[in-house]
Amino acid sequence: DTGVSQNPRHKITKRGQNVTFRCDPISEHNRLYWYRQTLGQGPEFLTYFQNEAQLEKSRLLSDRFSAERPKGSFSTLEIQRTEQGDSAMYLCASSSIQGGNTEAFFGQGTRLTVV
Amino acid sequence: GNSVTQMEGPVTLSEEAFLTINCTYTATGYPSLFWYVQYPGEGLQLLLKATKADDKGSNKGFEATYRKETTSFHLEKGSVQVSDSAVYFCALSPYGNNRLAFGKGNQVVVIP
Repeated sequence: DTGVSQNPRHKITKRGQNVTFRCDPISEHNRLYWYRQTLGQGPEFLTYFQNEAQLEKSRLLSDRFSAERPKGSFSTLEIQRTEQGDSAMYLCASSSIQGGNTEAFFGQGTRLTVV
Repeated sequence: GNSVTQMEGPVTLSEEAFLTINCTYTATGYPSLFWYVQYPGEGLQLLLKATKADDKGSNKGFEATYRKETTSFHLEKGSVQVSDSAVYFCALSPYGNNRLAFGKGNQVVVIP
């Protein structure tokens, strides 16, 4: 396993378009997280899944954002009708709850630029 | 709510100098505490962690001690190298939940 994989690495889109990002977690990890990071800030939590169930969503996740993890493996994050304020790095992380382990492993992120 | 505060501004220091980055937190219950590092062009990597009061996390010469009485988790390294240049993030996760709350991060630049 090569770790958490995110695609694409970079995405430039016009305002108003829809975009979708994919995250492939570490294979035995049952928890998957999405974060957003803007320039000069730390990552901010968006949502997380345990297996295929979406257990928590941040208030940052507006109605234009939707995340899925249909088979409890990979996840997608879709942003509809993108706005310039959506420009950020979108990070995915995964972890296992086995044995009380609290370490999350991060992917390299997808950098979104809305023009 | 849960939050993390890191000292303001980038940190620039010479090779072999002593590094301290301050981190304080606000949380309910007994969170786990972490330092993550982001090297240029790479993803976030866990540097060290501590899961209960008075625990000391350590890795690659870095150390941080979970101080419940001062709600702090300051990062230290006795002798930095140029390769330690990176952005360092302090983070917490509430008890029983891996959801992380991050500080703003500190850019560390080590000059030869």
